Amino acid sequence: GENVEQHPSTLSVQEGDSAVIKCTYSDSASNYFPWYKQELGKRPQLIIDIRSNVGEKKDQRIAVTLNKTAKHFSLHITETQPEDSAVYFCAASRSNYGQNFVFGPGTRLSVLP
Amino acid sequence: DTGVSQNPRHKITKRGQNVTFRCDPISEHNRLYWYRQTLGQGPEFLTYFQNEAQLEKSRLLSDRFSAERPKGSFSTLEIQRTEQGDSAMYLCASSLGQDIQYFGAGTRLSVL
Repeated sequence: GENVEQHPSTLSVQEGDSAVIKCTYSDSASNYFPWYKQELGKRPQLIIDIRSNVGEKKDQRIAVTLNKTAKHFSLHITETQPEDSAVYFCAASRSNYGQNFVFGPGTRLSVLP
Repeated sequence: DTGVSQNPRHKITKRGQNVTFRCDPISEHNRLYWYRQTLGQGPEFLTYFQNEAQLEKSRLLSDRFSAERPKGSFSTLEIQRTEQGDSAMYLCASSLGQDIQYFGAGTRLSVL
């Protein structure tokens, strides 16, 4: 089955700097890769996603890149703000087979003022 | 709030008791998922429904766990003879077809 690894487990950056979180997956059939942000005590919320037919997607300060050959994808947050502090989870799924997500273990991002 | 709704938000029970959680998905979402999340980990898939049909179950879903979605709308997750290892956050998500999954706030289960 699919296995998703995520690094780093914790990340501290100064406000205004960039943050990068990397995930690798094992199932070459996976074709949908969402990123969720979870603040303490709250529900996971989708912040960006990418499908396997594109290599990069951007939404304001957030971007995701996908390398299908190497089976890894990354989340990039630019101009970080204190409200970006949260746990970020990547996930992988095969959208034509149930689409249950396999999540990574999460990255705790702290943006220091 | 028109998002995914889960009840109760918190449940404390004694080992050996049965518990039941409810999830109300976003209206017209035909897919409903259950996940379990323990502290410091990502959500782990348990099971999913398309309308009223339960199409996939994880190996994590032991025979003490059962889920239903009788009318293709709300779903219930029951855990029988709870064990301390069942303590976790149980998350529900819904989607319209193969679209984005929207999560509920979860039910936190504590087994004493």
